[in-house]
Amino acid sequence: EAGVAQSPRYKIIEKRQSVAFWCNPISGHATLYWYQQILGQGPKLLIQFQNNGVVDDSQLPKDRFSAERLKGVDSTLKIQPAKLEDSAVYLCASSATLGGGYTFGSGTRLTVV
Amino acid sequence: KNQVEQSPQSLIILEGKNCTLQCNYTVSPFSNLRWYKQDTGRGPVSLTIMTFSENTKSNGRYTATLDADTKQSSLHITASQLSDSASYICVVSAGGANNLFFGTGTRLTVIP
Repeated sequence: EAGVAQSPRYKIIEKRQSVAFWCNPISGHATLYWYQQILGQGPKLLIQFQNNGVVDDSQLPKDRFSAERLKGVDSTLKIQPAKLEDSAVYLCASSATLGGGYTFGSGTRLTVV
Repeated sequence: KNQVEQSPQSLIILEGKNCTLQCNYTVSPFSNLRWYKQDTGRGPVSLTIMTFSENTKSNGRYTATLDADTKQSSLHITASQLSDSASYICVVSAGGANNLFFGTGTRLTVIP
């Protein structure tokens, strides 16, 4: 089966600019997650969707981060405006069911200068 | 407090040698424990998943063990290869799927 697709692979922006990441989960996977992984640290959950509904966004900095999964399939994560500390790898993962095995995408490496 | 700690933080071994990575957790209630391999700049790839009742699980040259009583897990890599160079992350799930706790990983470097 095809894996979780993410784009772009790399992005360099200046602080205060906006950026968007895209994720296409494995076909049929109802649950989609966005994680932020700062260099040297484990991934931190930003937001979790079940179909097109938000299950958990408690750690999403809502003043600058937003995410949507309008049709319950692919998803976008946006940062506006970006800060230097947003430099990280943004990982998307999906699973067929809550509690099911995760499959991660290759991630988007964001560098804010 | 739910935590996952991994050791060592980094490890360098010669190609062909074996190594063991450790994971200690205080996550409760325990649901399952996963080991992931993460190449630089890539997303994590699942190696093994273990539930409470499983003591050991193998995936090729990777063997994971779990001691639910002491809340410890290990990942043993046999006959290491250069391609094993990566970060190995221990992830413990507590209850629901959104309760995942990640270790900071062990950075393994295999040298010829």
